Amino acid sequence: AQSVTQPDIHITVSEGASLELRCNYSYGATPYLFWYVQSPGQGLQLLLKYFSGDTLVQGIKGFEAEFKRSQSSFNLRKPSVHWSDAAEYFCAVGPPRYSGGGADGLTFGKGTHLIIQP
Amino acid sequence: GAVVSQHPSRVICKSGTSVKIECRSLDFQATTMFWYRQFPKKSLMLMATSNEGSKATYEQGVEKDKFLINHASLTLSTLTVTSAHPEDSSFYICSASRMGTEAFFGQGTRLTVV
Repeated sequence: AQSVTQPDIHITVSEGASLELRCNYSYGATPYLFWYVQSPGQGLQLLLKYFSGDTLVQGIKGFEAEFKRSQSSFNLRKPSVHWSDAAEYFCAVGPPRYSGGGADGLTFGKGTHLIIQP
Repeated sequence: GAVVSQHPSRVICKSGTSVKIECRSLDFQATTMFWYRQFPKKSLMLMATSNEGSKATYEQGVEKDKFLINHASLTLSTLTVTSAHPEDSSFYICSASRMGTEAFFGQGTRLTVV
């Protein structure tokens, strides 16, 4: 069965510092990979996704992620965080499909809570 | 991007009553809709997958008689929590996808059973 591991439950970063959130997955093949952000009491906003091609993916709000097949990882990065980035971040995987992964539900990691220090 | 609307955003109901949550795709036709449940400080767990016009497929451990899902049209799916109890209190999130594309998430519904 597929699984997603986000090893860091909480991360505290100073405003303006760089950020890296870790995500490892276990899957029989290369899955589709997603990063979502959730503010308290809110739904999920897609930051970026990887389906194929260039392993460095650019997303919204200045985020990027790199897919590393050899490490089964899809870590999220941002060069300089802002106080508004404080939120819960979820990595998710979906089964590989020829057209985009939309026909199956996603498997989520447990999330990483990002705290921004002034 | 595509918009998915979930209603209500918050609901409080008495134990033993039923509550219905709606998930609508506002600007696209959703061939598939998904329902997730999120416990406090926990990840999202897929509850069921529904395709328009057919019965929902429930994940292992999810009671289909307690969580009734109807996907009557290409823009609307409903989740009804029947005979709700305090342990059903949770944050429920739907997502909807067009054929062969990524899924888009609603804003979630906070259910509190008292």
